[in-house]
Amino acid sequence: QKEVEQNSGPLSVPEGAIASLNCTYSDRGSQSFFWYRQYSGKSPELIMFIYSNGDKEDGRFTAQLNKASQYVSLLIRDSQPSDSATYLCAVTPPRGGYNKLIFGAGTRLAVHP
Amino acid sequence: GAVVSQHPSRVICKSGTSVKIECRSLDFQATTMFWYRQFPKQSLMLMATSNEGSKATYEQGVEKDKFLINHASLTLSTLTVTSAHPEDSSFYICSAWGREKLFFGSGTQLSVL
Repeated sequence: QKEVEQNSGPLSVPEGAIASLNCTYSDRGSQSFFWYRQYSGKSPELIMFIYSNGDKEDGRFTAQLNKASQYVSLLIRDSQPSDSATYLCAVTPPRGGYNKLIFGAGTRLAVHP
Repeated sequence: GAVVSQHPSRVICKSGTSVKIECRSLDFQATTMFWYRQFPKQSLMLMATSNEGSKATYEQGVEKDKFLINHASLTLSTLTVTSAHPEDSSFYICSAWGREKLFFGSGTQLSVL
């Protein structure tokens, strides 16, 4: 079992719709959770981070964390064609601190006009 | 603006030559930096953890004699790909923790002919 799992996609949504990206992780003790957006040929860009169970909203983005289910998701409201990218879920290992992030393989999102 | 600067953004070299990539933290000190490699349509793979003033920690399967890492100051880490071969062609990305978030450099696309 991979440590961080994501559906590779592509996830195709129409412009203006809500895009829902999902991620599961294997280590129950993981502490911090991050969502990065990566355009083709570019490096990842931090979108959201979440540490506590529940929802965290920032503009059109909402991160949801459920530690009991070992599940973290990213919702993008009012999706735009410019949101088309690969979204990477990343998790810090249980020991915490400033440590390496464990990345999922990413979900490719395609927003069509 | 960017908090982690990476240079060069693109390099093309002949097989057998060495290539140095620089990674700088711009507005914070980074005792630890990370080097990732990404092949097309694949996820980020951690190569090594660069530690200021000490030896780098390499991930399993990464040749330390081929990928030389130097972290001589709190703001600069370098990755040197020695005797590069076509199979080393990839997107190399550095990262560093700042303000409790992992920021990425802009990446270096290495093409070995």
